[in-house]
Amino acid sequence: AQSVTQLDSHVSVSEGTPVLLRCNYSSSYSPSLFWYVQHPNKGLQLLLKYTSAATLVKGINGFEAEFKKSETSFHLTKPSAHMSDAAEYFCVVSLSNDYKLSFGAGTTVTVRA
Amino acid sequence: GAVVSQHPSWVICKSGTSVKIECRSLDFQATTMFWYRQFPKQSLMLMATSNEGSKATYEQGVEKDKFLINHASLTLSTLTVTSAHPEDSSFYICSASAGTGELFFGEGSRLTVL
Repeated sequence: AQSVTQLDSHVSVSEGTPVLLRCNYSSSYSPSLFWYVQHPNKGLQLLLKYTSAATLVKGINGFEAEFKKSETSFHLTKPSAHMSDAAEYFCVVSLSNDYKLSFGAGTTVTVRA
Repeated sequence: GAVVSQHPSWVICKSGTSVKIECRSLDFQATTMFWYRQFPKQSLMLMATSNEGSKATYEQGVEKDKFLINHASLTLSTLTVTSAHPEDSSFYICSASAGTGELFFGEGSRLTVL
């Protein structure tokens, strides 16, 4: 079985400050891990993905995430938040050979001016 | 990147009617498509896996007679909500596999049943 836990339901940051979104996973197999972003009433956009290559993954819009097997974590970070980063973020896990995804509950990010 | 289009993006219907939502992969062939349901401020819940030319595989608790899924071609899957009721009101999202290990998501379709 596979699952993912997002440790924060809501994160609020000031513009220009770092953002940290925490995610822990469980999987019986080598997982593929993803972070997606969803703006209101929109579909999901892939920020980045980990598929057993480099443990530090760089994504779009300045986001990056580090896969830590020993901690079963895949936290998402950005050094400097922008107002446009305000959205819902989902940590997602799948088996490496299976397109079925398990979604975390989501983290709502608000950015203060 | 690959584009997945959903139509309609908004639909309002009367209770008891049926509504069809289309999911198209615009620039790639998708042998597998997925349908999700998302309630307000909640995560996505996988409803079913749709494979071209075969019957959809539904997740536990999803009524297959209520949510009819047809994947008639490599670029089109449809979700029909039959005899819709207010509790079916939700945001429905599809995704499609391009065979590259990445899923591409549609923009979603918001269904409101009066």
